Amino acid sequence: GDSVTQMEGPVTLSEEAFLTINCTYTATGYPSLFWYVQYPGEGLQLLLKATKADDKGSNKGFEATYRKETTSFHLEKGSVQVSDSAVYFCALNTGNQFYFGTGTSLTVIP
Amino acid sequence: ETGVTQSPTHLIKTRGQQVTLRCSSQSGHNTVSWYQQALGQGPQFIFQYYREEENGRGNFPPRFSGLQFPNYSSELNVNALELDDSALYLCASSSDYYNEQFFGPGTRLTVL
Repeated sequence: GDSVTQMEGPVTLSEEAFLTINCTYTATGYPSLFWYVQYPGEGLQLLLKATKADDKGSNKGFEATYRKETTSFHLEKGSVQVSDSAVYFCALNTGNQFYFGTGTSLTVIP
Repeated sequence: ETGVTQSPTHLIKTRGQQVTLRCSSQSGHNTVSWYQQALGQGPQFIFQYYREEENGRGNFPPRFSGLQFPNYSSELNVNALELDDSALYLCASSSDYYNEQFFGPGTRLTVL
């Protein structure tokens, strides 16, 4: 069945380090892909999305490219900040089903 | 513009009881999805309602049921509560079933 596999955490980085959180998916058809973020004590917020192959989603310095050939949607940021500390969820939408990854906890230390 | 709201914030029930959780969708949104999020896990899709009809369902038993009203608000009903039903229940709305979802703050259900 359809699913999302996300890099396990927790991840700890120093400020200004490069971030990659891996996400791969299994899906029939042509799903839309999303990254959601959950800051401490807050609800889930959409970070970025891509709706078709080769689309690049970007927001707040984060980027992810929809790679159909590798069924991946890895999240990247060139220089993380302490304020990026949160849990990140990769998700896919097949049109009537949503699948979330288990989440990756990121802590950025000064 | 009002975001997604959920009520109640917290709820404590005992095994075997029934519970109803409520969700008001964001203005202009016609689709509502419900999720169960256990501690330390990602949200698990329960079902989705689009224009008052169930549009998709995850791997949850029939004792999890729902409704969507003409104003697109929604209810999640869980019958015969089990201890494993203890979780954060999230509601999300979207402007259509294929668009990004906007999440509410959740209802924390504890089953004793």
